[in-house]
Amino acid sequence: VQLVESGGGLVQPGRSLRLSCAGSGFTFGHHGMHWVRQAPGKGLEWIAGINWNSGTIGYAASVKDRFTISRDNAKNSLYLQMDSLRVEDTALYYCARDSLQCYSPSCYRYYYDSLDVWGQGTTVTVSS
Amino acid sequence: SYELTQPPSVSVSPGQTATISCSADNLGDTFTSWYQQRPGQSPLVVIFKDNQRPSGIPERFSGSNSGNTATLTISGTQAMDEADYYCQAWDSSSAHVVFGGGTTLTVL
Repeated sequence: VQLVESGGGLVQPGRSLRLSCAGSGFTFGHHGMHWVRQAPGKGLEWIAGINWNSGTIGYAASVKDRFTISRDNAKNSLYLQMDSLRVEDTALYYCARDSLQCYSPSCYRYYYDSLDVWGQGTTVTVSS
Repeated sequence: SYELTQPPSVSVSPGQTATISCSADNLGDTFTSWYQQRPGQSPLVVIFKDNQRPSGIPERFSGSNSGNTATLTISGTQAMDEADYYCQAWDSSSAHVVFGGGTTLTVL
């Protein structure tokens, strides 16, 4: 069971970046997924979640209207489109799996129990 | 917004019991999880649903949650337990996952 993030890098303020997260070793489409970031020397900050079929999506206030989470279950992949980037978005970005397998029409939430699988993270640096 | 409050640091002697608190109004009404993050590593869930241990997590890790406070307890603390610990809960009113600010556990 593994998650591997990619797409990070150095970008100027106001520009865009797209992160990807590839899942393997489990049925990707059966779980809610999340993006969590950690600024240098700081704590964990949840920024976005998406349920199994993309029917429910949520964002933290700090990224709402600038970031877009999406997924492609056929490709076992999670994405984060980051627009209008700010210096304060500089962080290590993790993707994480929601622990509960929940993939019926009644599974409208993206969070149930805990975040049980994490990737190694990809670093985003926003600087001029 | 929903905020989880943790002490910035806790110190413990090897073999002793470490307790890390996490506070918020009526936190006991929702499940809390705890994550361990060693330097340079990704977070690892050590407790979920207040007191459940994932497979592979040592029995010395335990949790409780009542009233306004959730607690992570590490019995017989070992040097390898030195890490940052984060509590986490679900804020149903905003549909947000919320993390506490983190507690650095030092094993002296």
